[in-house]
Amino acid sequence: AQTVTQSQPEMSVQEAETVTLSCTYDTSESDYYLFWYKQPPSRQMILVIRQEAYKQQNATENRFSVNFQKAAKSFSLKISDSQLGDAAMYFCAYRRAGGKLIFGQGTELSVKP
Amino acid sequence: DTAVSQTPKYLVTQMGNDKSIKCEQNLGHDTMYWYKQDSKKFLKIMFSYNNKELIINETVPNRFSPKSPDKAHLNLHINSLELGDSAVYFCASSQDLTSGGPLGETQYFGPGTRLLVL
Repeated sequence: AQTVTQSQPEMSVQEAETVTLSCTYDTSESDYYLFWYKQPPSRQMILVIRQEAYKQQNATENRFSVNFQKAAKSFSLKISDSQLGDAAMYFCAYRRAGGKLIFGQGTELSVKP
Repeated sequence: DTAVSQTPKYLVTQMGNDKSIKCEQNLGHDTMYWYKQDSKKFLKIMFSYNNKELIINETVPNRFSPKSPDKAHLNLHINSLELGDSAVYFCASSQDLTSGGPLGETQYFGPGTRLLVL
């Protein structure tokens, strides 16, 4: 069975600094997708970034980028120039092609001014 | 221009009651989902419908029954509510489960419905 693990329940970063959130997953599939979702206090689930397993190039979206290590089954999220609005719960998620979305436990990120 | 909407946003009710949560998406997606987020914020899928057909049905009590009148709507009806049903319920949609690809595989979530059973 596929699993997703986020080993950092909480992280903290100073405003304008960079922070990296960790995520590992377990699968025997070769065709799958990885996601990071952000859940601010408003509780809305917002898609941050997406990575296709068949792409070697790491995905980037403005200040958000991933470090996708397929052999190691690792998918970390880097937030550069952290802003107060980045404070939220971040969920890593995995989905094999056509399968169900499986979430990690989440990492609560706080941003200090 | 809301993409995925849910009503109500908050629901407070007594144990034993029956309640429904409605979900609508205007993205033209074929697949819709219901998720439950528990008190520890863990998210787990409950159901998935593709073009009005049930395709994922996780181990969920029979008291929970999804209904999809058309591919833009997926409602969740809960009978005989229990204290343990208290949670946040999210509706989501994706383009097309069968076509795959990054667009088909990406799910977009509604704002969530916080259910409190007293």
